[in-house]
Amino acid sequence: QVQLVESGGGVVQPGRSLRLSCEASGFPFSHYGMHWVRQAPGKGLEWVADIWYDGSNRYYSDSVKGRFTISRDNSKNTLWLQMNSLRAEDTAVYYCARDIYVSGSYYFDNWGQGTLVTVSS
Amino acid sequence: SYVLTQPPSVSVAPGETARIACGENNIGSKSVHWYQQKPGQAPVSVIYHDTDRPSGIPERLSGSNSGNTATLTISRVEAGDEADYYCQVWDSNNNRVIFGGGTKLTVL
Repeated sequence: QVQLVESGGGVVQPGRSLRLSCEASGFPFSHYGMHWVRQAPGKGLEWVADIWYDGSNRYYSDSVKGRFTISRDNSKNTLWLQMNSLRAEDTAVYYCARDIYVSGSYYFDNWGQGTLVTVSS
Repeated sequence: SYVLTQPPSVSVAPGETARIACGENNIGSKSVHWYQQKPGQAPVSVIYHDTDRPSGIPERLSGSNSGNTATLTISRVEAGDEADYYCQVWDSNNNRVIFGGGTKLTVL
């Protein structure tokens, strides 16, 4: 079955960096676009970034553009999110999610369990 | 840019019908997707492409989308339906995913 397992979260000081990983299994990883979605404590879902199945295109939310970089290695079935210049407002659970394209739209049919990032001095 | 508006909370008695709205100008022209999230868990897809149900999702959950409002309807509500529900669209003009603010469903 499809499995997405995030790792790399933790406590980090403002201005520092952190890299999250998402290991995929149970499906042909290289066939799917992948996303990062985050959820601040007690808040709603916020889309962060996505990368096409072949890594050829990447898109970011305005809140992270220029600070975060999404990448993937299809030979390792792994997705990453490099987070630089972290701010307190980046504190959240970060989920990786697989997308499905249907009728001109994308939705997420599988999610990881999430990894918590806390930005605090 | 899209702003999807959901009521913060909806309350319903067991066995009744819950309707959760997701509003945006002309949302009927977009494909709307819905997620259920229980405390401490990752979101789960419950409706995609306005009305389609993933395998394993009960028929009690259904979706509709017309005009300025998309709606998730949960019939014969059970205690296990208590969760946060989020609507989502794809903003193709800006290549980004948009989520609604979420609705907390309380089963009285």
